[in-house]
Amino acid sequence: ETGVTQTPRHLVMGMTNKKSLKCEQHLGHNAMYWYKQSAKKPLELMFVYSLEERVENNSVPSRFSPECPNSSHLFLHLHTLQPEDSALYLCASSQVLAGNQETQYFGPGTRLLVL
Amino acid sequence: GDSVTQMEGPVTLSEEACLTINCTYTATGYPSLFWYVQYPGEGLQLLLKATKADDKGSNKGFEATYRKETTSFHLEKGSVQVSDSAVYFCALSNQAGTALIFGKGTTLSVSS
Repeated sequence: ETGVTQTPRHLVMGMTNKKSLKCEQHLGHNAMYWYKQSAKKPLELMFVYSLEERVENNSVPSRFSPECPNSSHLFLHLHTLQPEDSALYLCASSQVLAGNQETQYFGPGTRLLVL
Repeated sequence: GDSVTQMEGPVTLSEEACLTINCTYTATGYPSLFWYVQYPGEGLQLLLKATKADDKGSNKGFEATYRKETTSFHLEKGSVQVSDSAVYFCALSNQAGTALIFGKGTTLSVSS
């Protein structure tokens, strides 16, 4: 039990669909993250939220839209995705203190397949 | 910018063999260093970490020492088990303290 849950665990969607990925952390952390993990590529940081404000967006296409309604929940809204967006999407959370990055705790990921 | 370089895998070992996975980094300042492990079908789990020079992180028989002079954080284990088969990621905290920077990962396969 890592304290970070993600739903759904698996998702298949067409290129015209709209879906959302959900992440919830039960650790009392103040920062949350979305990562993309593709086969044979490094782990890619997509978005960082600290105290519910987006502090980092690594040139992610606009078809990915994050939302952080509170410090415990993080969403990734998906629309008009491409087949190359098929990947494992990982959520993580951490406690950031005085600009210092503490350990990140990861959820199990959502395996996304875009047809 | 800050970066992490890990040895390319896959690494294939027999049970009870010694393991070393090399990790070097480039960073300004004094980042914290981490090793994460990802078992098949799961997310990443923290394996160990070190927050300052000469610190040694250890967990489950794995060790890594923060070497500032060589900018390295090599992962070692004296006797691997089949259950250690996984992907191992080296990471450092970025200067702004807003994120971790990960290496590409090293796949370890241990056979009995």
